[in-house]
Amino acid sequence: GQNIDQPTEMTATEGAIVQINCTYQTSGFNGLFWYQQHAGEAPTFLSYNVLDGLEEKGRFSSFLSRSKGYSYLLLKELQMKDSASYLCAVRVARGGATNKLIFGTGTLLAVQP
Amino acid sequence: DAGVTQSPTHLIKTRGQQVTLRCSPKSGHDTVSWYQQALGQGPQFIFQYYEEEERQRGNFPDRFSGHQFPNYSSELNVNALLLGDSALYLCASSDRFLNTEAFFGQGTRLTVV
Repeated sequence: GQNIDQPTEMTATEGAIVQINCTYQTSGFNGLFWYQQHAGEAPTFLSYNVLDGLEEKGRFSSFLSRSKGYSYLLLKELQMKDSASYLCAVRVARGGATNKLIFGTGTLLAVQP
Repeated sequence: DAGVTQSPTHLIKTRGQQVTLRCSPKSGHDTVSWYQQALGQGPQFIFQYYEEEERQRGNFPDRFSGHQFPNYSSELNVNALLLGDSALYLCASSDRFLNTEAFFGQGTRLTVV
């Protein structure tokens, strides 16, 4: 089956660094995505990994190890506006060009002053 | 350039009724995927359309059906609504020939009473 695990909630302090882990067991792996979702809003794209290693985009970085089925999202210099749910999603391919995203339940991050 | 647009933003329906939700993909995208997101959960894949046909389907009953039009816009129909169908319904658009991220609309909040 397809399974994605991430912590339900995390708390961090403004200005600090936080790492959100994601483990997955899927077939047809075709990339791992991180999305940010504020309450009542659409998910917005943060980062994408298809090969092993670290991808850096400003204050956000994401790491992937395909052999371990593991990824993390690193947020640096936390700001209050970073309080949101962070969704780990694996894109799975089955034959042709049809891909779909399998999401974890999301990690609700609370940034405290 | 308009992103993904969904309508309506909010909807209240009575159990047993039918509902139609609409989505216009981002300009240049030909693939539309629909997701259901219950409160506190990650989005769950319903189905995906391109070339006006359903290409892949998640674990949702036949009460959930869809359509894609020649201009790539899409509809999601749900018949015989149940209380458990109350959720945020998200539309995601992508280009099936490019290995890039999916873009999400703001969603339709459906409440079944």
